[in-house]
Amino acid sequence: DAEITQSPRHKITETGRQVTLACHQTWNHNNMFWYRQDLGHGLRLIHYSYGVQDTNKGEVSDGYSVSRSNTEDLPLTLESAASSQTSVYFCASQRRPNSPLHFGNGTRLTVT
Amino acid sequence: SQQGEEDPQALSIQEGENATMNCSYKTSINNLQWYRQNSGRGLVHLILIRSNEREKHSGRLRVTLDTSKKSSSLLITASRAADTASYFCATDASHYNNNDMRFGAGTRLTVKP
Repeated sequence: DAEITQSPRHKITETGRQVTLACHQTWNHNNMFWYRQDLGHGLRLIHYSYGVQDTNKGEVSDGYSVSRSNTEDLPLTLESAASSQTSVYFCASQRRPNSPLHFGNGTRLTVT
Repeated sequence: SQQGEEDPQALSIQEGENATMNCSYKTSINNLQWYRQNSGRGLVHLILIRSNEREKHSGRLRVTLDTSKKSSSLLITASRAADTASYFCATDASHYNNNDMRFGAGTRLTVKP
């Protein structure tokens, strides 16, 4: 069965370090998204991509970057981790606009 | 900024009762979707209702959409303990560039056996 996987599930890092969270999907979806989930804020969009070499900023993109070199993967990089980036991060894919999102099980990131 | 706002923030009911959650949004939409999230897991899509639809059913789920009031409701009938989860509405607003999805903060539903 097709799926979307995130790794690692848990990560602890120090302030100032670069961190990369992986997202891999086997749905062959062109659209992929990164969200962060914080108590009281729901899910907020960080970056998204509509295909290879396409990346776009979401509403909370500062301090994050993504790259899309193939259809399956959209890694999320925190250039210099900050305590404010402690959160649960979710990756999602989508077959086409206006269709349901398929989510991974998340990465819990703690920045100390 | 959040597009959808769920109400109530938390809901506790007994097994067998119906659960109703509401979602309000601010701008015109293409569609509205409801998702469920179990603790420690990703969101799972439940149902999608398009802006030209008023009601949709899926099993024990009933979703209504009132575009004039910019609101939607999710009804879970004959609830079960396994329905305990957080429920989110998400909108695919017609005015957003590239149709990115915006989520509310969710309703935490607890179904007591």
